[in-house]
Amino acid sequence: EVQLVESGGGLVQPGGSLKLSCAASGFTFSGSAMHWVRQASGKGLEWVGRIRSKANNYATAYAGSVKGRFTISRDDSKNTAYLQMNSLKTEDTAVYYCTRLPITSGFDYWGQGTLVTVSS
Amino acid sequence: DIVMTQSPDSLAVSLGERATINCKSSQSVLYSSKNENYLAWYQQKPGQPPKLLISWASTRESGVPDRFSGSGSGADFTLTISSLQAEDVAVYYCQQYYTPPLTFGGGTKVEI
Repeated sequence: EVQLVESGGGLVQPGGSLKLSCAASGFTFSGSAMHWVRQASGKGLEWVGRIRSKANNYATAYAGSVKGRFTISRDDSKNTAYLQMNSLKTEDTAVYYCTRLPITSGFDYWGQGTLVTVSS
Repeated sequence: DIVMTQSPDSLAVSLGERATINCKSSQSVLYSSKNENYLAWYQQKPGQPPKLLISWASTRESGVPDRFSGSGSGADFTLTISSLQAEDVAVYYCQQYYTPPLTFGGGTKVEI
């Protein structure tokens, strides 16, 4: 059974940093592109960024709203993806989901999300 | 960036009636060499992550009821729920996965 479990969310002050983790199981993590998507309360879905597999040189891409502030990484030995968030702004407050994008479909599996609140 | 525009923002449909949601992309998401539209539809219920319903504009995911169907190509797409059931009350999103940044439509809230 495929599982994605996010952790690391919490309350942080504007300008602060936070690192989210996404622990994966039930599939070949090392071969999968992993993505982060966020959703502010009562709002729509916003793609944050992605990291591709080793075969694709761990290529990353980011939304314009987070580029230069957020960094996605992965540790295939731990089946875990990460989202390092720096210089956080109040508008980064959202539930952050990790998800995978296989070559055969859209985002087929999602975690339950972790809430990040940026507030003083 | 490819902008995804959904309409309507919300719609109310009687049980057993048809619901139609439209999605337009600001440029084609058809990968010509593969003849595939990189367009997905998701359903999201309150407090839950999104659920993938349809990939490649018209391929229903395993386990998704056949009352859900997707159509369209290039830059114009439609999600149809042929006979609305109570459990279909949700917000529906289209999304392009043709090129980064991957983008979602604003969502359509479907109510009874």
